[in-house]
Amino acid sequence: NAGVTQTPKFRVLKTGQSMTLLCAQDMNHEYMYWYRQDPGMGLRLIHYSVGEGTTAKGEVPDGYNVSRLKKQNFLLGLESAAPSQTSVYFCASSPGTAQFFGPGTRLTVL
Amino acid sequence: AQKVTQAQTEISVVEKEDVTLDCVYETRDTTYYLFWYKQPPSGELVFLIRRNSFDEQNEISGRYSWNFQKSTSSFNFTITASQVVDSAVYFCALTEGGGSQGNLIFGKGTKLSVKP
Repeated sequence: NAGVTQTPKFRVLKTGQSMTLLCAQDMNHEYMYWYRQDPGMGLRLIHYSVGEGTTAKGEVPDGYNVSRLKKQNFLLGLESAAPSQTSVYFCASSPGTAQFFGPGTRLTVL
Repeated sequence: AQKVTQAQTEISVVEKEDVTLDCVYETRDTTYYLFWYKQPPSGELVFLIRRNSFDEQNEISGRYSWNFQKSTSSFNFTITASQVVDSAVYFCALTEGGGSQGNLIFGKGTKLSVKP
């Protein structure tokens, strides 16, 4: 039982490049979330999903897209990376009680 | 709008001291959930506790205890006899929308340093 895993752990992008972050959970949780964590800002919700095939915007969705084609996976995409997207990205899943987080992805956009 | 305030940005204590981390929240929901998470230097987020708005009983888990007071909209966290391993950033969070599965609104965190 791996819990919530995130791929990759680290990534450096150039401005304008695209990439996809993968989140996978093996706990059969319905709800999944993507957050970003910036110094002094706590965590802010980017997008979330309440079930397979559904997604919704969170507090800071601009510049990101998501997909939940399979219940266990939640993908976060950056179509054209900007330096303002330099952050640590956390994925979480929940059975409807507490949210359980992955280890995070540290993304740097140059 | 929901809001979580952790007024203490950083706290430094010496091992074996007791320390309380403050959390004040704002919400218009009558049903809501409050959480505490720990983020050690390794970076992962560790779930510590969930409390719903109807349960004002204090909770104790080993050296950790939580004091929930609806009258003051506070959900404070106390570590008794602190240890170096307690050094971490601690986040208080509130669900948005009333359900426990709702989106989390996080405070900005309190960095606790426990010195030997």
